[in-house]
Amino acid sequence: GAVVSQHPSRVICKSGTSVKIECRSLDFQATTMFWYRQFPKQSLMLMATSNEGSKATYEQGVEKDKFLINHASLTLSTLTVTSAHPEDSSFYICSASLLGGAYYEQYFGPGTRLTVT
Amino acid sequence: GNSVTQMEGPVTLSEEAFLTINCTYTATGYPSLFWYVQYPGEGLQLLLKATKADDKGSNKGFEATYRKETTSFHLEKGSVQVSDSAVYFCALSDRVTGGGNKLTFGTGTQLKVEL
Repeated sequence: GAVVSQHPSRVICKSGTSVKIECRSLDFQATTMFWYRQFPKQSLMLMATSNEGSKATYEQGVEKDKFLINHASLTLSTLTVTSAHPEDSSFYICSASLLGGAYYEQYFGPGTRLTVT
Repeated sequence: GNSVTQMEGPVTLSEEAFLTINCTYTATGYPSLFWYVQYPGEGLQLLLKATKADDKGSNKGFEATYRKETTSFHLEKGSVQVSDSAVYFCALSDRVTGGGNKLTFGTGTQLKVEL
C-alpha cells in the first residue's frame, strides 16, 4: 500500500532555532500533501495544503512566514519551523494524496514530535 | 464551522468485549464521515467511511452508521481483539464548503484491549 514516511520522528531544538521536517511518499507520487499538528488531548488541526510546484495554502491563523512549506517534488514536502519557540512544541503529521485518488484518501506519515526548549 | 467530538479515552476492554466509541459532529453542509485508526508507531489509516445519511461503513469487523438526525457516527465492533489496540479518530469532510479534501478530526480515542 501507499506509505508515507517522516523524518525525524523526534526532534528537540533550542528556542530561536529552525527545524526542518521531511515528509516523503515512498511508493507513489503525491500531487497534494497536507500538514497537520496535534497538541496533547486535542484534534489534529490542518495547517496547510501544498501542491507540487506551487505555493502552499495555509489555514486561517497559521503563520506562513513561521511555518515554511516546500513541495518541490511529487514525493517530498518539507515543513520548516522558523525561530521556534516552546509554544511550537507539538506533534506534526503529514499526509499525501494520490493523483486521481478519492479526495478522502489521504495516506498519513507516523508524525514528528517537536520539543522546543 | 465544522467540528467533531468524540469520547475521551483511554477505553480499556477485555478481549471479545463489545466496543462503542461515540462520535458526534457539527457541519454546515453535507459532510462525509470517516473513522481513521492509528496503530502504535504508524500513520493514520482510513478504517471506514460513509458519504451520505443512513450509509453504513464497515471494515475489519468495525462498523459505523451515518445518523443525520442525531449528527452521529458511532464506531462499533462486536468482539474486539488485542490487535485492535490503537487510537481511533473520527473525522468529517464537508463537500459544500469546498473542503473536499480538508478533514476535520476529533481528538482521538485510545483503545486498549487486554487478554
